[in-house]
Amino acid sequence: AQSVTQLDSQVPVFEEAPVELRCNYSSSVSVYLFWYVQYPNQGLQLLLKYLSGSTLVKGINGFEAEFNKSQTSFHLRKPSVHISDTAEYFCAVIPSGTYKYIFGTGTRLKVLA
Amino acid sequence: GAVVSQHPSWVICKSGTSVKIECRSLDFQATTMFWYRQFPKQSLMLMATSNEGSKATYEQGVEKDKFLINHASLTLSTLTVTSAHPEDSSFYICSAREGGGAGHEQFFGPGTRLTVL
Repeated sequence: AQSVTQLDSQVPVFEEAPVELRCNYSSSVSVYLFWYVQYPNQGLQLLLKYLSGSTLVKGINGFEAEFNKSQTSFHLRKPSVHISDTAEYFCAVIPSGTYKYIFGTGTRLKVLA
Repeated sequence: GAVVSQHPSWVICKSGTSVKIECRSLDFQATTMFWYRQFPKQSLMLMATSNEGSKATYEQGVEKDKFLINHASLTLSTLTVTSAHPEDSSFYICSAREGGGAGHEQFFGPGTRLTVL
């Protein structure tokens, strides 16, 4: 069975510092990978996705992620965070041949002034 | 980009009443729509998948008679919570898929917060 693990439930970081949110997955087939951000009482907004090609993916709001097949990881990074980046971040995969998302449990990023 | 709306954004109802939530794809035709439930500080749980013109497919453990889903057109799906009880209080999010092969992303609505008194 496929699964997505976000080991860090909460990540505090000071404004303008870099941040990395970790995501690992387990799957017997290839996957498509996604990162979403959710602000309070809102739906999910796509940050970036990896379908194929270059393993370094750049998304919106200065975020990027790197797909590492050997480590089955898709960590999200930003070199300098802002207060407005405070939100919940979800990593998700869609196993090849399916169309259903498998979501991680989320990481709450809290940017401190 | 593709936009999905939900209505209402929040609703409060009395126990025993039914509540209908609408999900609309505004600028594309959604061959498939999905309904999720999210408890506070938790991830999204897929409740059901609906394809236009056919019966919804419910995930294991989701009561199909309690959560009625209708996907009457390529731009509209509805979720009706029948005889709602306080334990049904939650954040409900829909998403829509434009079509195409596997791996096609879903576009999410802003969510509906349901509070059952």
